[in-house]
This record gives sequence, C-alpha cells and structure tokens, in this order.
Amino acid sequence: NAGVTQTPKFQVLKTGQSMTLQCAQDMNHEYMSWYRQDPGMGLRLIHYSVGAGITDQGEVPNGYNVSRSTTEDFPLRLLSAAPSQTSVYFCASRPQGGGQPQHFGDGTRLSIL
Amino acid sequence: SQELEQSPQSLIVQEGKNLTINCTSSKTLYGLYWYKQKYGEGLIFLMMLQKGGEEKSHEKITAKLDEKKQQSSLHITASQPSHAGIYLCGADPGAGSYQLTFGKGTKLSVIP
Repeated sequence: NAGVTQTPKFQVLKTGQSMTLQCAQDMNHEYMSWYRQDPGMGLRLIHYSVGAGITDQGEVPNGYNVSRSTTEDFPLRLLSAAPSQTSVYFCASRPQGGGQPQHFGDGTRLSIL
Repeated sequence: SQELEQSPQSLIVQEGKNLTINCTSSKTLYGLYWYKQKYGEGLIFLMMLQKGGEEKSHEKITAKLDEKKQQSSLHITASQPSHAGIYLCGADPGAGSYQLTFGKGTKLSVIP
C-alpha cells in the first residue's frame, strides 16, 4: 500500500520557470490538500479539494494552481516560480468526514534561484 | 479561526529522561492529532484524541486531552535517540470539517 506519493523529491528552478508537483494517493480518499512548510511558520494550507472536480483556496494560494480530475491525483502547479516559493511542499489526503487523520506524502523540497 | 500554540518550541534532553510537549487551542477541540516528522521525511501519524479526558499510549509515548478539550500533552518516557524529530499537533476546527489546523511544531533532540 503506497499511501500518498509525491514526485519529485527535490527540484531546483530558476525564477520565472513553471513546474508541476505531482501527488497521488491509492486510498480512495475524497479530501486532498497541499501545504508548504517554512521555518518558524509551520504548515500552511495552499489549496485543497473535497472531491474530483472540486478545489478551493487555502491560506496561501497566490502563485499556485490546482486541479482534481480524478480521486487519486492532485497536482500543484507553480505558474511563474519566485524565490519566495522556496519551501518544502507536502501533499495530504483524508477520508470523508471528520475524526480521521490526514496521511502525508514525504514532501518535495523546492528551491527557486 | 482556530490557533494552536505548541510549547516548548525546542527541547534538548539527555537519553533516558522524560519530557512533555504541550498543545493549547484557542477554541474547543473536536479532534486532536499528534504527528512526528523526521528531517527529510513526511509527517507520521502518532495518535488521535477526541474525547475530553482521553488518554492514549503507544510504546513510550502517551497523549492526553484535557476535560475541557482545549489542551493536549504528549509525554515521552525514557527518551531515546529514535524519538528525536519535530512533533506537531493538528486539530479539527469543527465537526465534519476536512481541514486540519497545525501548531508550529516542537523540535526534540535527544543526546545519547
């Protein structure tokens, strides 16, 4: 059982480049989300989805796009990378309804030069 | 919005010592989750607490939720180097809510 799989694990970009961070889960979870983790800031929610075809903004959505065409996949797109987007990105999934923990991927370490 | 305050921010203990990490919420907790993160890895789910006064243990780690459901503690007995990492608490802001709110984490170092 793979759980939540994120690719790539590491990436270096130049300012202005675009890229997509991939996230896939094999637990048939309805809810998926993207966080960024920065020193002293904790985990901040970027975007989330409560099911295929439904997405919404979190706390820090600017500069990022998401889509949810299938239950399994929830890619995060950086439109035009900026140094402020240097961070560790985590994808998570959760079953529908409360009272269940979120399952996290291993993260993508992204550096923007 | 709900905020979670973790204390201490960092902790250095000698191997074999006991320690406690606290997580305090600005609102009543509908569900409280403890995670552990090692450097370079994702968050590993440890325990979930939902009822006031609830206590759960796994190996040498015990988590408690107070009766008022606004504070939780994580206690490690006889710490080992394998306990080192960042501990985060997360909370359900409301019944049926999907989004967890997280504290900023407590960095634990265990000196052999």
